[in-house]
Amino acid sequence: DAKTTQPPSMDCAEGRAANLPCNHSTISGNEYVYWYRQIHSQGPQYIIHGLKNNETNEMASLIITEDRKSSTLILPHATLRDTAVYYCIAMPGGTSYGKLTFGQGTILTVHP
Amino acid sequence: EAQVTQNPRYLITVTGKKLTVTCSQNMNHEYMSWYRQDPGLGLRQIYYSMNVEVTDKGDVPEGYKVSRKEKRNFPLILESPSPNQTSLYFCASSPRTSGTNIQYFGAGTRLSVL
Repeated sequence: DAKTTQPPSMDCAEGRAANLPCNHSTISGNEYVYWYRQIHSQGPQYIIHGLKNNETNEMASLIITEDRKSSTLILPHATLRDTAVYYCIAMPGGTSYGKLTFGQGTILTVHP
Repeated sequence: EAQVTQNPRYLITVTGKKLTVTCSQNMNHEYMSWYRQDPGLGLRQIYYSMNVEVTDKGDVPEGYKVSRKEKRNFPLILESPSPNQTSLYFCASSPRTSGTNIQYFGAGTRLSVL
């Protein structure tokens, strides 16, 4: 799986958009970008994933650059409950199911 | 509600006393997995199962056993727990849907071995 790099921490005001960057410059053509988050000691939670097109679901939007070397997770209206560690992972899709390897992630703190 | 259920959520035990942590999913997922999470070491896979009666070792299988006799259940067995198995454990499941590797996690089991 391609290595990913994320800032260790970020702050965001409640109600504002949180934009979390991820660098994955060595990503290969068959690797998807996945985002998970973990709220303090709870089970990790899947947020969104994408291959090359931008994606949106009820939780977030994922913007992937055209060269696929980086991406941004956008929480459009952050709430206090979005305070968590956010993990960006690059791994193959298809039927190659495997372990999730989380790096250090980004600690997002949403302030009132 | 679709979910992965682990029990117990908290467990304190003593060295050598066999224990089982149960994991059950109601989403008809074929893939299930166990992870442990330790400070500074991140999430590490213990065992996984691609389907009923099919299990395989992850990165840190020593001291653990698993079984997959039914699709919904994937218990983690510690035959003789030791203090270095004190950790936060997560069970996860995933559908075999082409193009995705989305895993759904349980709430976790915090184990302390004295």
